[in-house]
Amino acid sequence: DGGITQSPKYLFRKEGQNVTLSCEQNLNHDAMYWYRQDPGQGLRLIYYSQIVNDFQKGDIAEGYSVSREKKESFPLTVTSAQKNPTAFYLCASSMTLYNEQFFGPGTRLTVL
Amino acid sequence: SQQGEEDPQALSIQEGENATMNCSYKTSINNLQWYRQNSGRGLVHLILIRSNEREKHSGRLRVTLDTSKKSSSLLITASRAADTASYFCATVSVSRYNFNKFYFGSGTKLNVKP
Repeated sequence: DGGITQSPKYLFRKEGQNVTLSCEQNLNHDAMYWYRQDPGQGLRLIYYSQIVNDFQKGDIAEGYSVSREKKESFPLTVTSAQKNPTAFYLCASSMTLYNEQFFGPGTRLTVL
Repeated sequence: SQQGEEDPQALSIQEGENATMNCSYKTSINNLQWYRQNSGRGLVHLILIRSNEREKHSGRLRVTLDTSKKSSSLLITASRAADTASYFCATVSVSRYNFNKFYFGSGTKLNVKP
């Protein structure tokens, strides 16, 4: 089954803790993305990666970090520097930067 | 500010009616894409229209693109209750410095009443 997976589905974090959200794809896509969605809002781009070992900041990168050591994987770390991290996080991939994106099911992060 | 903005923000129609959503954007684009999101889920790609295309069809979906007005519309014909979802347009911007991004609008929330 080809697709894009995210884990965990729900994540709770205490203030001051870093957490890492997993994103894996077996679609052989070069490009991967992380978005944040707040209730009733659209998507905002956090980071994107056009190819392995390369990534670029999106519009709201502050307080987040990523790595792209493997083509299949693009984990997102939400650091304690992110002041309002409670949100729905969506990972996506596409063949190249211009193409249609395939989305994972999302991770809902709640800060306690 | 966000590149793509949908209009209306919310739309409520009866099953069988047509639904039209609009998207406006600000800068030159490579292509424009429409996505659907069911509540609490990831997005699903519906259709992609390139900057040199004016109209595209896929099943009950019809998308138009007017680059002179920097706008696009998504028409869903003969709507069904299962079409109830939020619909987003996304633009892939073109930049001289090859700094291309996806921009998503804030979405149109469609409610199709049975």
